[in-house]
This record gives sequence, structure tokens and C-alpha cells, in this order.
Amino acid sequence: GAVVSQHPSRVICKSGTSVKIECRSLDFQATTMFWYRQFPKKSLMLMATSNEGSKATYEQGVEKDKFLINHASLTLSTLTVTSAHPEDSSFYICSAASGGRAGVYGYTFGSGTRLTVV
Amino acid sequence: GQNIDQPTEMTATEGAIVQINCTYQTSGFNGLFWYQQHAGEAPTFLSYNVLDGLEEKGRFSSFLSRSKGYSYLLLKELQMKDSASYLCAVRGLTGGGNKLTFGTGTQLKVEL
Repeated sequence: GAVVSQHPSRVICKSGTSVKIECRSLDFQATTMFWYRQFPKKSLMLMATSNEGSKATYEQGVEKDKFLINHASLTLSTLTVTSAHPEDSSFYICSAASGGRAGVYGYTFGSGTRLTVV
Repeated sequence: GQNIDQPTEMTATEGAIVQINCTYQTSGFNGLFWYQQHAGEAPTFLSYNVLDGLEEKGRFSSFLSRSKGYSYLLLKELQMKDSASYLCAVRGLTGGGNKLTFGTGTQLKVEL
């Protein structure tokens, strides 16, 4: 079946530094990748949608200069949290979609990244 | 835009049946998904409805009424491992045809 590999699963970084999270589709081509963040006991909040080879579309209220998304190939999308602050601590999850059937009805989720900024 | 509501918490007894409701308001609709999520893990797909009616899949069933903007997830023969968060998500036609918007999530606790 379709698999999306997300790394790292956990990361602790110091305030002011940048952290890169990678999502790779292992056995299919992900034309679209969605990035979500989730606070404890809350639902998934869509941050941005990225399409291969074009700029990401950010949801209202999400700072594009702080959360840099790159989708340079059909199998790799990255989210970089720049100048991280403690309030950026969260669970980040990617989800891949494709023109075909990637995963069940077109969506495959990564395993998530727990970011802690100290 | 899309507004998706679910009860925040529910508690049920092992072996029982529980129904988790989801109501949505959307400017475009292209399918509704139910996911299960355990703490610290990614969501796991449970069911998908795009037409009105009931979809049954083992212990889990999901119902959709597009005219009412309403869905429910029915869990039968509850097991302790069913304690998790259940997320309703709507795929919209506007603002990105395949974008999923998640509901507030329902935390289900199964007790003995």
C-alpha cells in the first residue's frame, strides 16, 4: 500500500534555531502534500497545501516566512520551522494526495513529528 | 468556508454501541471521512461517504445525509482499544478541490 515516511518523529531544538521536517512518498508520486499541526487534545489544523513545482498555498493566519514549505519533487516535501519559538511546539503531520489512488481514497498520512522548542 | 462540529468527549461501556455525530456547513462538498487517532500518532482511515446512506465496515459504520449536512460514526461491540480520538473530515470542492478540513474531534473513552 501507499506509504509516507515522515522524519524526524521527535525533535527538540533551541529557541531561534530552524528545524526541517521531511515527508517522502515511498511508492507513489504525491502531486499534492498537505501540512497540518495539532495541539494537545485538539484536531488537525491545515497549515498549507503544496503542489509539486509550485509555491505552497497557506491557510489564513499561517506565516509563510516562518513555515517554509518546499515540494521540489513528486516524492519529497519539506516543512522548515524557522526561528523556532516555544509556541511552535506542536505535533506536525503531513498528508499526501495524488491524481491516482494514493492510500485510501487519495490520502496517506505521515507518522507525525513531535517538535519541542526549549 | 467549512465549519465542522463534533462532541468534544464521549464515554461508553465495553461491549456497547456508540454513535459519534458530525455536522458540517460547507460551501462545497466532495466527500466525508472518519479517522481514528491515538495520542501521538497519525490518523488512521476508518470510513468514507460521498453519497447519502450507510456504509458498513465490520464493527464500524458511517452514515451521511448531504441535505442535512450530517454524518455519524457508529461503533459496535466496543473494545478498550477503541478509546481514541475520532475525527470527522470534509473534502471541499472550493478553495482546493481535494483539501481536507477536520472537525474538532471527539475523544472517546471506553470503560469496563
